[in-house]
Amino acid sequence: ILNVEQSPQSLHVQEGDSTNFTCSFPSSNFYALHWYRWETAKSPEALFVMTLNGDEKKKGRISATLNTKEGYSYLYIKGSQPEDSATYLCVSMDTGRRALTFGSGTRLQVQP
Amino acid sequence: GAVVSQHPSWVICKSGTSVKIECRSLDFQATTMFWYRQFPKQSLMLMATSNEGSKATYEQGVEKDKFLINHASLTLSTLTVTSAHPEDSSFYICSAPGRQGVRTDTQYFGPGTRLTVL
Repeated sequence: ILNVEQSPQSLHVQEGDSTNFTCSFPSSNFYALHWYRWETAKSPEALFVMTLNGDEKKKGRISATLNTKEGYSYLYIKGSQPEDSATYLCVSMDTGRRALTFGSGTRLQVQP
Repeated sequence: GAVVSQHPSWVICKSGTSVKIECRSLDFQATTMFWYRQFPKQSLMLMATSNEGSKATYEQGVEKDKFLINHASLTLSTLTVTSAHPEDSSFYICSAPGRQGVRTDTQYFGPGTRLTVL
């Protein structure tokens, strides 16, 4: 994998549903993986920064896991609420240039 | 928490004119700031790294003479799109790291600027 890929591109769920998204990133020269939440007309907001293989982080109903050997991260949202509606961005950093490589995002819409 | 503002939030200009976009860190100092752009249905792409007191570093394929970056203070970086053309129409957004010089840390983003060149 040369780029950061996120799936699905978009997701519509009902309030109360749990959901998860995938981020695939280059596993070679891995340095860090970020997740951001981006609401329309607002600034992207940091959710997690993960660096270690096997890392699991949690913030309220949102959690994330990291597998640096195979190059993927999962973001989970438990009991989705309408206010969770946003685009979730995955960003990878490599050791070489420390450049930030963005995925195209997963757009989540939670129906009340 | 750390807040980054960006101005203007949107701008429409005629082809051939120059447009300046400001990125400010409101409650913290930022010796480094990053500028990105996003074309429709594409990912955010890093354009350049703005360094306070020194020259910006541009990513491959980004024309430094077209996208002028000035980081004159610890709280302000500006991006000037010179002689803008319709193909420069895009969404431009800046960020600053929470801890300077350490890009693993959280990025604090501005809300972005939508540029439309007629």
